[in-house]
Amino acid sequence: GDSVTQTEGLVTLTKGLPVMLNCTYQTTYSPFLFWYVQHLNEAPKLLLKSSTDNKRTEHQGFYATLHKSSSSFHLQKSSVQLSDSALYFCALRHSGTYQRFGTGTKLQVVP
Amino acid sequence: ETAVFQTPNYHVTQVGNEVSFNCKQTLGHDTMYWYKQDSKKLLKIMFSYNNKQLIVNETVPRRFSPQSSDKAHLNLRIKSVEPEDSAVYLCASRDRGRTEVFFGKGTRLTVV
Repeated sequence: GDSVTQTEGLVTLTKGLPVMLNCTYQTTYSPFLFWYVQHLNEAPKLLLKSSTDNKRTEHQGFYATLHKSSSSFHLQKSSVQLSDSALYFCALRHSGTYQRFGTGTKLQVVP
Repeated sequence: ETAVFQTPNYHVTQVGNEVSFNCKQTLGHDTMYWYKQDSKKLLKIMFSYNNKQLIVNETVPRRFSPQSSDKAHLNLRIKSVEPEDSAVYLCASRDRGRTEVFFGKGTRLTVV
């Protein structure tokens, strides 16, 4: 069946450094991938989405490229800020009915 | 700006009690969901409702039941709570033909 894998549970970085959060997936459908961000005690919110192979999508300084050849949709940012500290979920659209989420990666940015 | 509203924010109850959580969306969406977020922050789909029809139920125990009066409301009832039901329950909605899912802030359930 469909699945989403996020390998890092916790990433701790110093402010100003680049970050890459990993996301790989398995699906029998045409892939549609998402990144959601959840700040403490807040609702998850959509950050990025893509269904186009090899096309970079960007929002609020974050970017990701869907690579169907490697089944990946890694989230990147060139310089993290303290306000980026949050939980990041990768999600896969499942047969058009709902989104299946990965286990999440907590990003902790320190001064 | 929140457009998916959940009540209550928190609820503490004893094992065996019945609880009910409310969710309302003001976005005019036609599909609503309940997700469970456990202590490890894992988000799992529980139910999906489209035009009052249940279209997804992912191996959820029978003590859980969704209740919808119209397409803007999707409540969640737990008939006899158990300790493993302690979690944050997130309601969400989506518009047909669009992909973005909008979440509420969740209801945190603690079963003692």
